Amino acid sequence: GNSVTQMEGPVTLSEEAFLTINCTYTATGYPSLFWYVQYPGEGLQLLLKATKADDKGSNKGFEATYRKETTSFHLEKGSVQVSDSAVYFCALSDPTSGTYKYIFGTGTRLKVLA
Amino acid sequence: DAGVTQSPTHLIKTRGQQVTLRCSPISGHKSVSWYQQVLGQGPQFIFQYYEKEERGRGNFPDRFSARQFPNYSSELNVNALLLGDSALYLCASSLVTGEADTQYFGPGTRLTVL
Repeated sequence: GNSVTQMEGPVTLSEEAFLTINCTYTATGYPSLFWYVQYPGEGLQLLLKATKADDKGSNKGFEATYRKETTSFHLEKGSVQVSDSAVYFCALSDPTSGTYKYIFGTGTRLKVLA
Repeated sequence: DAGVTQSPTHLIKTRGQQVTLRCSPISGHKSVSWYQQVLGQGPQFIFQYYEKEERGRGNFPDRFSARQFPNYSSELNVNALLLGDSALYLCASSLVTGEADTQYFGPGTRLTVL
């Protein structure tokens, strides 16, 4: 079945460091791909999305490119801030049975130190 | 515009009891999905409703049920609660159900079963 695999956390970085969080997926067809962020005690906020191969999603300095050849959607940011500390989830939309339900990875916790 | 709202915020129940969680989608959104997020894991799909019809169901026992009302709000019911039902329950809404349709999540209801 369809699945999403994320790198294990936690990831600890100093402020202004470069961030990469790896995400790979297994899917039939060409699902849409998403990154969501979850701050402590809150729900999920959409960070960015890409709907087809080679699309680049971007928002608030974060970027991710839909790579069909490597089935990947890695999240990057050039310079992280303390306020970026959160849990990041990679997800795909699964068109099975016409529901387009989301399948999530297990999440990667990011901790940014001042 | 108001986002997805959920009530209650927190809930404490004992084993064997029943619980009802409520969700109001973003205005104009016709599809509602429910997810269960156990601590330290990614959200797992429970149900999706569109135009008051169930579109999909995840791998959850029959103790879980849901419905969508004419105003597109939704309720999730869980009967005969088990300790393992303790989780954050997330509601997400989208305009319709489609490949590129983005789901927007509410803040969640934290259910604790004692």
